[in-house]
Amino acid sequence: EVQLVESGGSLVKPGGSLRLSCAASGFSFTGHYMNWVRQAPGRGLEWVASISSRSDYIYYADSVRGRFTVSRDNANSSLFLQMNSLRAEDTSVYYCVRMWGGVGSLYYLDLWGQGTLVTVSS
Amino acid sequence: DIQMTQSPSTLSLSVGDSVTITCRASESLGYWLAWYQQKPGKAPKLLIYKASTLASGVPSRFSGSGSGTHFTLTISSLQPDDSATYYCQQYLNYPITFGQGTRLEI
Repeated sequence: EVQLVESGGSLVKPGGSLRLSCAASGFSFTGHYMNWVRQAPGRGLEWVASISSRSDYIYYADSVRGRFTVSRDNANSSLFLQMNSLRAEDTSVYYCVRMWGGVGSLYYLDLWGQGTLVTVSS
Repeated sequence: DIQMTQSPSTLSLSVGDSVTITCRASESLGYWLAWYQQKPGKAPKLLIYKASTLASGVPSRFSGSGSGTHFTLTISSLQPDDSATYYCQQYLNYPITFGQGTRLEI
């Protein structure tokens, strides 16, 4: 089955750190840019980060640049998001998302995980 | 950054009605626009890409049109299962940006 399964979300204090993981299965992981997209409670979708198939191109939203680091392990079809210096406004469901596998660097998002909740609160 | 603006923000319609949701971009996207459907408590699902191409498995009641800065998502013969929030998204440039969403109640 083609799927993305996130894990690692939890309650963390402001200033703390957390690492999210995403396990991909059922497709060629190395053929796709991968992304993190988040959604604060009751709010819209916010793109967080994208990483190329070989990790040579990485893009971040301004709101997380310098605090979050996206990485991937192609051997294990896994995507990660290391989140440091967390703030209350980072509280969101974080989705692992596959980008359609074209030859360029930016396409539509064609496969979404179920999401993992990160709550930043004291 | 490219700003995406959807209208209306909310809609309440009846089974069998048709609806058009508008998405405007702050600069020309060509055809690099996608639409997503999100039901409560669920992940978004791709509906349309390249402004008007239906994603696999999406009913033909859904259609997209437009180019440049003005795009529309039309749903004909609304069904109860169409109750959801709909988002547009540009993929011309990073950062990827989404519209604020249109909540549709049937």
